[in-house]
Amino acid sequence: KNQVEQSPQSLIILEGKNCTLQCNYTVSPFSNLRWYKQDTGRGPVSLTIMTFSENTKSNGRYTATLDADTKQSSLHITASQLSDSASYICVVIQTGANNLFFGTGTRLTVIP
Amino acid sequence: SQTIHQWPATLVQPVGSPLSLECTVEGTSNPNLYWYRQAAGRGLQLLFYSVGIGQISSEVPQNLSASRPQDRQFILSSKKLLLSDSGFYLCAWSVLGGVQETQYFGPGTRLLVL
Repeated sequence: KNQVEQSPQSLIILEGKNCTLQCNYTVSPFSNLRWYKQDTGRGPVSLTIMTFSENTKSNGRYTATLDADTKQSSLHITASQLSDSASYICVVIQTGANNLFFGTGTRLTVIP
Repeated sequence: SQTIHQWPATLVQPVGSPLSLECTVEGTSNPNLYWYRQAAGRGLQLLFYSVGIGQISSEVPQNLSASRPQDRQFILSSKKLLLSDSGFYLCAWSVLGGVQETQYFGPGTRLLVL
């Protein structure tokens, strides 16, 4: 069964601290994996897209990693800011343009 | 630049009433269009996608339907809403670009069925 599981479900950190969000998947065949940021009441916004051959990709303070062998990805946020408070969604795309599998997201709250 | 609009932003409807949510995209041609639903505490669920005018694919059988009367217009409808239709509805667009294809989401419509 094709699934995407994210952990933790929610996370609270102090401003300025780092954090890492996890995504494990069983989707096969694998095409690529995306991380989205979704502010409350808004649509998701793409942060990174990673293909099978990519291990690490950065977007500012966001760094995503991918281990295609273990089917795990992580999103590391460095020097967190209050504006990082949002849900972070992991999406795994199966080969075929419209086979997307969404995780339920990690709700991150950054407090001053 | 491309923009995507959804309306209304919020909607409260009684059970059994009809529904019409609209999504329009500006600044691009022949996009792929998607309707998603996000229930509280759950992941996004793909409802419909369209690769062209009049071409609709349904992912989940239910009492919802979608139509694409124009290239950049995507409409989500229901003849009779159910309580379980409550949720956050997101429209998205993309242009085929291989594995780097990115979906861009609209601001969403929050629907509450009472």
